[in-house]
Amino acid sequence: EDQVTQSPEALRLQEGESSSLNCSYTVSGLRGLFWYRQDPGKGPEFLFTLYSAGEEKEKERLKATLTKKESFLHITAPKPEDSATYLCAVPPQGGSNYKLTFGKGTLLTVNP
Amino acid sequence: EAQVTQNPRYLITVTGKKLTVTCSQNMNHEYMSWYRQDPGLGLRQIYYSMNVEVTDKGDVPEGYKVSRKEKRNFPLILESPSPNQTSLYFCASSLTGFGMNTEAFFGQGTRLTVV
Repeated sequence: EDQVTQSPEALRLQEGESSSLNCSYTVSGLRGLFWYRQDPGKGPEFLFTLYSAGEEKEKERLKATLTKKESFLHITAPKPEDSATYLCAVPPQGGSNYKLTFGKGTLLTVNP
Repeated sequence: EAQVTQNPRYLITVTGKKLTVTCSQNMNHEYMSWYRQDPGLGLRQIYYSMNVEVTDKGDVPEGYKVSRKEKRNFPLILESPSPNQTSLYFCASSLTGFGMNTEAFFGQGTRLTVV
């Protein structure tokens, strides 16, 4: 049973065209939601951690928000260098600190 | 520079020939883990380690072994590789455990092909 679902699977934007990526989770008692960026052929790179509903974090053109059931990664006026796969992840139910359960990711392509 | 280093980056091998993928981190992290990434399946945890000589299975441990004899190193061993182990492998480390208030650092990946 998937605990993390990301949508859309792929998103193609024009440079400057703002949009949002979605990550919904079914884990109860959330102990953090993590966003990572992954470039082709490279390891995931940490972006944000969110812990409570209503929390927001920003980094350059990216802003991550969290509700009780989902998280959004808002991309404002994206540039081609923002093209990557964006992954969200949560610690699993049950209190384990030894893993992250990842969604399958959203492949973002920003055309110039 | 803080980093997780995996070797080799690319490997093509034959079924049944034992291989080891090395992973080393220079951040004195206690927690380390191996993931594999497959199209349509995402990242899945193979094994993890909480400290030296302490390891445990993740979600997909079959066909893999690990060891943690030193804090900085966490090699992944495939005793008898099979084609279904063809995948992109990532090693990761974290100071206080994945999912805690610290980020996880990932290596650059090892693309393994078993023919």
